[in-house]
Amino acid sequence: SQQGEEDPQALSIQEGENATMNCSYKTSINNLQWYRQNSGRGLVHLILIRSNEREKHSGRLRVTLDTSKKSSSLLITASRAADTASYFCATEPTGANSKLTFGKGITLSVRP
Amino acid sequence: DADVTQTPRNRITKTGKRIMLECSQTKGHDRMYWYRQDPGLGLQLIYYSFDVKDINKGEISDGYSVSRQAQAKFSLSLESAIPNQTALYFCATSDPRTVYNEQFFGPGTRLTVL
Repeated sequence: SQQGEEDPQALSIQEGENATMNCSYKTSINNLQWYRQNSGRGLVHLILIRSNEREKHSGRLRVTLDTSKKSSSLLITASRAADTASYFCATEPTGANSKLTFGKGITLSVRP
Repeated sequence: DADVTQTPRNRITKTGKRIMLECSQTKGHDRMYWYRQDPGLGLQLIYYSFDVKDINKGEISDGYSVSRQAQAKFSLSLESAIPNQTALYFCATSDPRTVYNEQFFGPGTRLTVL
């Protein structure tokens, strides 16, 4: 069963625009992670935010976490065509000890 | 060289055949995982291993078995393949001692069962 649910399922934007992707989850968590997957390839870790953190930045990425609403958002600023990929949120539920539960993913298309 | 490798990368097999997917890693991580990915369904955990002597079932272990031959090797077997096991299979590793407890993924094996 999916713990994380991303929204929207697909997003198409123009190069240079910002992309915002959302993730909701159901149970308490240790941390929430975002991964990127280029077509048919392995997932690559982007950023992790712990349950006691509210916001983190890494380059053009900004992730927020609201544990009261059980939701997270990933913002990619100044998007590039190379950002075109699928993005997954993954949660480590409390007590799950490194096991992650992945959402279904968001397909981001960045038009040149 | 890639840190997490999977063989084969592509495999076509017939219903009823036994097939083994192999995963090797040079990251020195104790924890290894097998996932399957179906279109529109994200990743589902099949089996995971926290060390050589520790093997655990994931969400969808029926029809699969695993073997942890060494810290660096974790194999997934389909004893009698069926068409609905057609999917993209990923191996991943992690090390909980690191600050960022992320998982590192292999390139995947695309399996087709006819």
